Amino acid sequence: LAKTTQPISMDSYEGQEVNITCSHNNIATNDYITWYQQFPSQGPRFIIQGYKTKVTNEVASLFIPADRKSSTLSLPRVSLSDTAVYYCLVGSDNYGQNFVFGPGTRLSVLP
Amino acid sequence: EAGVAQSPRYKIIEKRQSVAFWCNPISGHATLYWYQQILGQGPKLLIQFQNNGVVDDSQLPKDRFSAERLKGVDSTLKIQPAKLEDSAVYLCAIRVGATEAFFGQGTRLTVV
Repeated sequence: LAKTTQPISMDSYEGQEVNITCSHNNIATNDYITWYQQFPSQGPRFIIQGYKTKVTNEVASLFIPADRKSSTLSLPRVSLSDTAVYYCLVGSDNYGQNFVFGPGTRLSVLP
Repeated sequence: EAGVAQSPRYKIIEKRQSVAFWCNPISGHATLYWYQQILGQGPKLLIQFQNNGVVDDSQLPKDRFSAERLKGVDSTLKIQPAKLEDSAVYLCAIRVGATEAFFGQGTRLTVV
């Protein structure tokens, strides 16, 4: 399983765009990149997934360069409610594979 | 639609006591996971089931932890006897589609 590295913490202000970058240098050809969000007292929640280039949904955008050795989660115009821990995961559709979480990035949105 | 119910939400026990957690996922999802999340850390896999069978329990402390999955749906995780370092949130998750995990809200265990 590819190891991921992301910043331990980030601070931002309401209304700003936040970009969280994740490194995954040994990503495999059949691996996807998935980001989860976790609020206190809740389980992690899937927010976005991609394989290459750019993916956008109603919550976030995910940018993946051609070499796929990194990815960037972009949260547009954050609010206080976006304060959470964000996890970057890399893995394939192999049902025998589990989901490996690192320590994540603790995002604090300030007023 | 995915859904995972866990009970209880909170549990406080004394060390050396026993405790059990329940996971009730919506049916139709073959793969189920139990994770342990210690405060300030990411979730760590304890055990993975495929239907009734165990796929991976390499990180389960088998001298005190046990888990089973009944009829490929509900699952229980037990700790006997509990230690102070077992204080954590225990998360149950199911695999949704090929590449996504859906988590329950977890059970917060405090061992005193």
